[in-house]
Amino acid sequence: QQQVKQSPQSLIVQKGGISIINCAYENTAFDYFPWYQQFPGKGPALLIAIRPDVSEKKEGRFTISFNKSAKQFSLHIMDSQPGDSATYFCAASTLGGSEKLVFGKGMKLTVNP
Amino acid sequence: DTAVSQTPKYLVTQMGNDKSIKCEQNLGHDTMYWYKQDSKKFLKIMFSYNNKELIINETVPNRFSPKSPDKAHLNLHINSLELGDSAVYFCASKLRDGETQYFGPGTRLLVL
Repeated sequence: QQQVKQSPQSLIVQKGGISIINCAYENTAFDYFPWYQQFPGKGPALLIAIRPDVSEKKEGRFTISFNKSAKQFSLHIMDSQPGDSATYFCAASTLGGSEKLVFGKGMKLTVNP
Repeated sequence: DTAVSQTPKYLVTQMGNDKSIKCEQNLGHDTMYWYKQDSKKFLKIMFSYNNKELIINETVPNRFSPKSPDKAHLNLHINSLELGDSAVYFCASKLRDGETQYFGPGTRLLVL
């Protein structure tokens, strides 16, 4: 049973374009939703995260949109750059509970120059 | 100044062998994790320790035994390695009351 579903599996955009990654979750006990960025041969690194008490969070070119009623959240990357080419994972956890991160399957982003 | 470090970075071994992976964090965190990333890049929790106490064991075969000698270290010992154990193993850590998990660079295990 996959608790966090992520789409698309891969995405190719041109430099300057917008990249959008979508995730849906099932467990309503989740209360922390981070996005991780992973470059080849490296460990995942936190990009941006959101709690369910807000509907949007923006940090630079990265924005998370959160829809609690639909149990969905998405990452928007504005003005995509070739350096953004990486694999992106959405995740969810229950803070104060087991706190394990449940990951989506990841999306490979390629930004062409 | 590596925050979460793992050794070795690469591990190539034969089926049936026993091997260990070490993890150390210098962030002052008290909760540490092991995740497994398979060939399709799917990341899944294996274990979690808080202050040297096991708090998550995610139905991992008992050939895998984590050990936490202190809050800054979490090691993973694997007995009788199988082909299906080939994967990248990531250690992560966080403060108990914190949100962010910080991941190490990974150990790439290949079982032949």
